[in-house]
Amino acid sequence: NAGVTQTPKFQVLKTGQSMTLQCAQDMNHEYMSWYRQDPGMGLRLIHYSVGAGITDQGEVPNGYNVSRSTTEDFPLRLLSAAPSQTSVYFCASRPGHSGNTIYFGEGSWLTVV
Amino acid sequence: AQSVTQPDIHITVSEGASLELRCNYSYGATPYLFWYVQSPGQGLQLLLKYFSGDTLVQGIKGFEAEFKRSQSSFNLRKPSVHWSDAAEYFCAVGAFTGGGNKLTFGTGTQLKVEL
Repeated sequence: NAGVTQTPKFQVLKTGQSMTLQCAQDMNHEYMSWYRQDPGMGLRLIHYSVGAGITDQGEVPNGYNVSRSTTEDFPLRLLSAAPSQTSVYFCASRPGHSGNTIYFGEGSWLTVV
Repeated sequence: AQSVTQPDIHITVSEGASLELRCNYSYGATPYLFWYVQSPGQGLQLLLKYFSGDTLVQGIKGFEAEFKRSQSSFNLRKPSVHWSDAAEYFCAVGAFTGGGNKLTFGTGTQLKVEL
């Protein structure tokens, strides 16, 4: 079972570069989201999606774009990377009705120099 | 808006000792509550969750948590800690009305186990 798959696992970017963190799930989950994890801050919600074609902002959306063209994929784009975006990024998904378990990917470690 | 407080940043216990990690939440309705564990360089693993019903919830690896509405708490417990339990533990509250994965996490408690 693949579950939630994130790529790449590690990435180093230069300031100003762009990149996309990929997230795919094979569980036909409606809801997907992106979190970032920083020391002493816990995990914070960046963007989320309640279904294909529908996205919304979370707690810390600035500097990130998302799209949801299919149920399976929810990529996170950094258009112009900044050192403040150095973090660990987690993608998550869950089924459509409330109360179900949220499944996390294994994380993507991003360093912006 | 919901919030989660984990007042202990670091906790050290001896192997075999009991453990309690504190979690307090703020949420206007009945919360969905979770505990996750994260080992260094790893992702998040769900230990247990509370949605409704019995307020004492059993999880994996011998962990349990008790939901106390009057105290707005969801403390994690384990009667006898093993060295492999050393990790970071996150409490989270879920707001699923309107959809999405609106989990709000605490800042985590780092558990160290002394042999």
